[in-house]
Amino acid sequence: DAKTTQPPSMDCAEGRAANLPCNHSTISGNEYVYWYRQIHSQGPQYIIHGLKNNETNEMASLIITEDRKSSTLILPHATLRDTAVYYCIVRVDMNRDDKIIFGKGTRLHILP
Amino acid sequence: DTAVSQTPKYLVTQMGNDKSIKCEQNLGHDTMYWYKQDSKKFLKIMFSYNNKELIINETVPNRFSPKSPDKAHLNLHINSLELGDSAVYFCASSQELGLGAKYYGYTFGSGTRLTVV
Repeated sequence: DAKTTQPPSMDCAEGRAANLPCNHSTISGNEYVYWYRQIHSQGPQYIIHGLKNNETNEMASLIITEDRKSSTLILPHATLRDTAVYYCIVRVDMNRDDKIIFGKGTRLHILP
Repeated sequence: DTAVSQTPKYLVTQMGNDKSIKCEQNLGHDTMYWYKQDSKKFLKIMFSYNNKELIINETVPNRFSPKSPDKAHLNLHINSLELGDSAVYFCASSQELGLGAKYYGYTFGSGTRLTVV
């Protein structure tokens, strides 16, 4: 079972920052937070991951609370192409016996 | 060049038939996976292989048999297809990293939509 809780859907205006929350209150000390997204009719796409520090890459920023029980994915300037289902996942980093377990995710609608 | 490619993209077949889906990755990754996405859009892992060795085998009917001839290929063969097998099947690959290496996550293919009629 997925170890995260996300809102089922969110709307965001094009050009604004999209902030997607995720709760992972049972996260273990050696588990990372990962974000993937799935655009309609495509395979999931890796976005970003982190352990406890905030992370930023060319796609997004990841803010993890100090107690690590929740995090927020930030798409700084959302475009229509960011409409997708976003999955927040926790797992032990790069353990070949571990696997990504997808929950229901958040369906993000970017509004023109 | 496509990093993870699956064939065919669409597959329509009758109940009881046997079919295969092929997956190839040109990323040099060590590990490959099969995921199933059903009509309710839940993504569930089925298998993973690391360097041709079966690592993860979830509770999947034994009608499903993965085969990895080399670490760049992971095929999925399905015997005696049933209506409930209709879904989108995704192949993915990933790489175990050494210390300090940048991680790019799982790379997924574009999926194979299987319809059993």
